[in-house]
Amino acid sequence: AQTVTQSQPEMSVQEAETVTLSCTYDTSESNYYLFWYKQPPSRQMILVIRQEAYKQQNATENRFSVNFQKAAKSFSLKISDSQLGDTAMYFCAFMKHGGGADGLTFGKGTHLIIQP
Amino acid sequence: DADVTQTPRNRITKTGKRIMLECSQTKGHDRMYWYRQDPGLGLRLIYYSFDVKDINKGEISDGYSVSRQAQAKFSLSLESAIPNQTALYFCATSVRQGLRGYTGELFFGEGSRLTVL
Repeated sequence: AQTVTQSQPEMSVQEAETVTLSCTYDTSESNYYLFWYKQPPSRQMILVIRQEAYKQQNATENRFSVNFQKAAKSFSLKISDSQLGDTAMYFCAFMKHGGGADGLTFGKGTHLIIQP
Repeated sequence: DADVTQTPRNRITKTGKRIMLECSQTKGHDRMYWYRQDPGLGLRLIYYSFDVKDINKGEISDGYSVSRQAQAKFSLSLESAIPNQTALYFCATSVRQGLRGYTGELFFGEGSRLTVL
């Protein structure tokens, strides 16, 4: 079974700063997917970024990028030039390659607060 | 209109009552999921379904049942609700993306907040 650990229950930064959210995972699989999902106060779950484990290049989506360290089983999310709209819960998630039949395994989340 | 619709959005009920949460999707996806979200615990899988005839238990299925009435509809039932089932419930869908298979992206509904008194 896979586990996903987010060690930062809450973080707070000033607007325009860069912030990094941590995620580690444990698996015996060699190929898998990793995700960051965002949940703003509206409670909608929104996919932020996805990383395929066989790809060495770190995924980026505009201001969002990841630092994927496969050997260390680490998958951190960096948000550059943070904005007030980035305030949300952020969940790290894991899925086995091939479409893990049981969907995603989620971490417990990090509540990110962007201060004006 | 949302592609994945959950009803009701909010519900308050009493211990022992039967509750049904409904989910419908217009995305044409084959896989559907029910997750439960509790503060400090993240999202945990209750049930998942590959198609109408294929339903599987997830991590925390005790006290819940589901029905896949059609490819587009997946309902979650609490036969006799108890207070520790108070939570935010999410329905989600996924689909095979060509040769890549299921790449893990889930498409979520807006959640159903259930309070059991």
